[in-house]
Amino acid sequence: AQSVTQLDSQVPVFEEAPVELRCNYSSSVSVYLFWYVQYPNQGLQLLLKYLSGSTLVKGINGFEAEFNKSQTSFHLRKPSVHISDTAEYFCAVSDHSGGGADGLTFGKGTHLIIQP
Amino acid sequence: EPEVTQTPSHQVTQMGQEVILRCVPISNHLYFYWYRQILGQKVEFLVSFYNNEISEKSEIFDDQFSVERPDGSNFTLKIRSTKLEDSAMYFCASTDEDLYNEQFFGPGTRLTVL
Repeated sequence: AQSVTQLDSQVPVFEEAPVELRCNYSSSVSVYLFWYVQYPNQGLQLLLKYLSGSTLVKGINGFEAEFNKSQTSFHLRKPSVHISDTAEYFCAVSDHSGGGADGLTFGKGTHLIIQP
Repeated sequence: EPEVTQTPSHQVTQMGQEVILRCVPISNHLYFYWYRQILGQKVEFLVSFYNNEISEKSEIFDDQFSVERPDGSNFTLKIRSTKLEDSAMYFCASTDEDLYNEQFFGPGTRLTVL
């Protein structure tokens, strides 16, 4: 079984400032890692994913995340945020065992609030 | 760009009533999922479906829940006798087996049980 911890329920940031949203996971097997974004009244949209290979992955909208196996972390970063980045961000994990049948395990989400 | 759609966007029902939530997954996808998100809580996996049968289900997915793919396009979640605690946002998702479990989510159905 896996679990995902997003310690920050809310992160306020000024516009054009950098941001890091933290995600830690636990699993007894190798995992795939994902960040999803949820804009108000919309579904979940994939920002980026780590499957294997390079530990630094780049996603849409200027976001990137770094997989750190020793720290079991997958923190999301953006060097300069915009008002339009205001949304809920979810970290999720899936293990390799069941292939496409696996459900994703989500963290509780972090609400990113961009202040002008 | 193809997307997952869900209907209705909001469903209000009385406790004890049956509800059916509908989803149209992306057309060439093979795996289908339901998740729920109770207000203020995390998104929770309910069930996955492949080749016309349930592949995996969570502890939440008890006997009051069922899923069905009644035709080549729809994927439904039925809750037989709704309880107050079933009030949540329900998300449908789908994926192609080649996409390493990158799941594409619909906009959700907000279920309110009174």
